[in-house]
Amino acid sequence: QQQVKQSPQSLIVQKGGISIINCAYENTAFDYFPWYQQFPGKGPALLIAIRPDVSEKKEGRFTISFNKSAKQFSLHIMDSQPGDSATYFCATRYTGRRALTFGSGTRLQVQP
Amino acid sequence: DSGVTQTPKHLITATGQRVTLRCSPRSGDLSVYWYQQSLDQGLQFLIHYYNGEERAKGNILERFSAQQFPDLHSELNLSSLELGDSALYFCASSGGDSGFGNTIYFGEGSWLTVV
Repeated sequence: QQQVKQSPQSLIVQKGGISIINCAYENTAFDYFPWYQQFPGKGPALLIAIRPDVSEKKEGRFTISFNKSAKQFSLHIMDSQPGDSATYFCATRYTGRRALTFGSGTRLQVQP
Repeated sequence: DSGVTQTPKHLITATGQRVTLRCSPRSGDLSVYWYQQSLDQGLQFLIHYYNGEERAKGNILERFSAQQFPDLHSELNLSSLELGDSALYFCASSGGDSGFGNTIYFGEGSWLTVV
C-alpha cells in the first residue's frame, strides 16, 4: 500500500528554471515530511524537511510548500542548475516512529 | 560522507545462496534501518533496529533477517536468494529521539546481483 504518491516520475528543466515535484499522502498521523536527494551511485541524503505546523520552509534555492488540508507537499527548486540533476524522494514518518516511508522518486534533469 | 559504512559495495551470487550485508552506523547513532532499492519498487523500508532491539518491520521477506549487535553494527542476512532479490540495499542510521531533528543518514549501499 503506497503511503505517499509522488509525481512526476521524471522532469526535464532548463537551467535557471523552476523545478516542482509534488507528493500527496493520506494518513494524517504523519509528523515529518523530508525530501531526500540521491545522485547516481550514492545513498539518499536529506535535502530539506518540514513539519505539519509550518506551511513553507526555505533553504537557499530549495523550498518545501506544505498544504495540510489537501494532504500535499511539494519541493520547489529555484534557479535550477545542472548540478541539481538527481533523483528526489519525498518521505513521510508516522508520529512516534522513526522509519521513513518514501515516495517513488522523481528523476530530475537540468539541461544547460 | 554520511558516516554510515556498508560492506561489501558489490556482491554477485547465485540463486539459492545466502549472503550477509554489513553496516556500521554513524558514531553514536542507536538506530539502524535497512532499505531495498530496485528500479520498479523504489526505496522500500525493510526493518528498523534501535539499540539492539527490533522496532519496526516493513516489507521484509521471511527469507531475510537482520540483527543489531551490542557494538551497534548491523547485519542483513538474505537467504535462498532469487533473481528478484537483485537490488541496492541501503543501511541508514539516526540518533536521538523521534523528534524533528532525527535525521536519517544513508550509507552508499551494497549492490547485490543474483545470477
